[in-house]
Amino acid sequence: GEDVEQSLFLSVREGDSSVINCTYTDSSSTYLYWYKQEPGAGLQLLTYIFSNMDMKQDQRLTVLLNKKDKHLSLRIADTQTGDSAIYFCAESLRTGGGNKLTFGTGTQLKVEL
Amino acid sequence: EAQVTQNPRYLITVTGKKLTVTCSQNMNHEYMSWYRQDPGLGLRQIYYSMNVEVTDKGDVPEGYKVSRKEKRNFPLILESPSPNQTSLYFCATSRAGISYEQYFGPGTRLTVT
Repeated sequence: GEDVEQSLFLSVREGDSSVINCTYTDSSSTYLYWYKQEPGAGLQLLTYIFSNMDMKQDQRLTVLLNKKDKHLSLRIADTQTGDSAIYFCAESLRTGGGNKLTFGTGTQLKVEL
Repeated sequence: EAQVTQNPRYLITVTGKKLTVTCSQNMNHEYMSWYRQDPGLGLRQIYYSMNVEVTDKGDVPEGYKVSRKEKRNFPLILESPSPNQTSLYFCATSRAGISYEQYFGPGTRLTVT
C-alpha cells in the first residue's frame, strides 16, 4: 500500500545543516520528490530523484535514497531563514493514474537566528 | 509565463450550497489533478484527469465532482458542501508521463459552516 511518513517539526539554527527524513512503503515508486511550501503559497518542486539513484546534489540540497530501507532524506546545507517552510516528500507510482503523487504529512522547518 | 490559476482563493460558505472552484492552466498540459491539504495528513488526491473527457477518482473523491471539457480547465464541484470539506485545495498540472514535474496552483482555502 501507499504510505509516506515524515516527522512534523524540525528546528535548526541559521547556518547549520538541516536534514529532513521521509519513509515510504511502496517499493514500486519510480520517482521521489521534495516539495517546499511557503506560508500562504502552493507547492514548489525543489528536487527529485529517480528510484535507481542513491544520491543527488543540487547546490545546497542533497537528496539521499536508501531503497532497501525505503528511506529518503533531504539535507539543506547552510540553512537560512528563507528556508523556513513546510517540506513534503512525495512518491510517484506506476499506476493507472499515471502521474499520481502520494505525499507525506509534511515537515515544518523553523530556522532560528 | 507558465501559470496555474485557481478561483476563488478564499471562500466561506454554508452547508449544502453548491460551489465550484475553478482551475486553469496555460501550459497545454494533459494531466490535471485536485488535492486537499489538511493538517497532519499532507496532501490527498481527490480526482485527476489524464486528458479531455478522461477523469478518474483519487483517494478521497466522496462529495466531489469534476469535469474536463477543455484541456486548460478542470473545475472542482462540491454539490452539497459539508463542514468536513473545510480544507485547503490545490490544483496541479503536468505533461502526461510519470517523470514530469507537477505545477501547483496557489490554493483555495474553503470554509464550510
